[in-house]
Amino acid sequence: AQRVTQPEKLLSVFKGAPVELKCNYSYSGSPELFWYVQYSRQRLQLLLRHISRESIKGFTADLNKGETSFHLKKPFAQEEDSAMYYCALKVMGNTPLVFGKGTRLSVIA
Amino acid sequence: KAGVTQTPRYLIKTRGQQVTLSCSPISGHRSVSWYQQTPGQGLQFLFEYFSETQRNKGNFPGRFSGRQFSNSRSEMNVSTLELGDSALYLCASGRDSGPGEKLFFGSGTQLSVL
Repeated sequence: AQRVTQPEKLLSVFKGAPVELKCNYSYSGSPELFWYVQYSRQRLQLLLRHISRESIKGFTADLNKGETSFHLKKPFAQEEDSAMYYCALKVMGNTPLVFGKGTRLSVIA
Repeated sequence: KAGVTQTPRYLIKTRGQQVTLSCSPISGHRSVSWYQQTPGQGLQFLFEYFSETQRNKGNFPGRFSGRQFSNSRSEMNVSTLELGDSALYLCASGRDSGPGEKLFFGSGTQLSVL
């Protein structure tokens, strides 16, 4: 079965420092990878998806099939980035979106 | 467009009771997925419905069931509640399982089992 691993439950960084939230997956084919974010008292929402190769709120993520990773990066963290981040995986066909256990990012002023 | 609506927002039940949660997807969305969210386990997939048919099912006991109506609204039912069923239950809707499709989540139903 497909699995998503986010090794850090909590990541604390200072404002202005670089951020990297790790995500590894187990799947031998070509997956679709996503990052979802949940800010305090808000709904879970899509941050970005690898298929779009986009940068949202300064965040980027590159799919590395060799390392089966999809790490989320931002060069300079902002206090408003503090939230719960979930990496998610979807494989081809009518399959469900599988989430990792999440990483709580805390940006310290 | 109205977002995904889940009712009720909060529920308190006792062990052994049953509960029904409701989800109204975004208009035009035919896919509805349910997830159980807990602090320790994150989001765990329960089931997905598409055009009134269960398309996928997660690894939960048979006490957890669901259905989808012709207007795409969905309900999930949990029978014989256990303390461990206490969680936030999230519903998400989507247009269809196309590449890169995003899910839109509701605010959830917070279930507490005493």
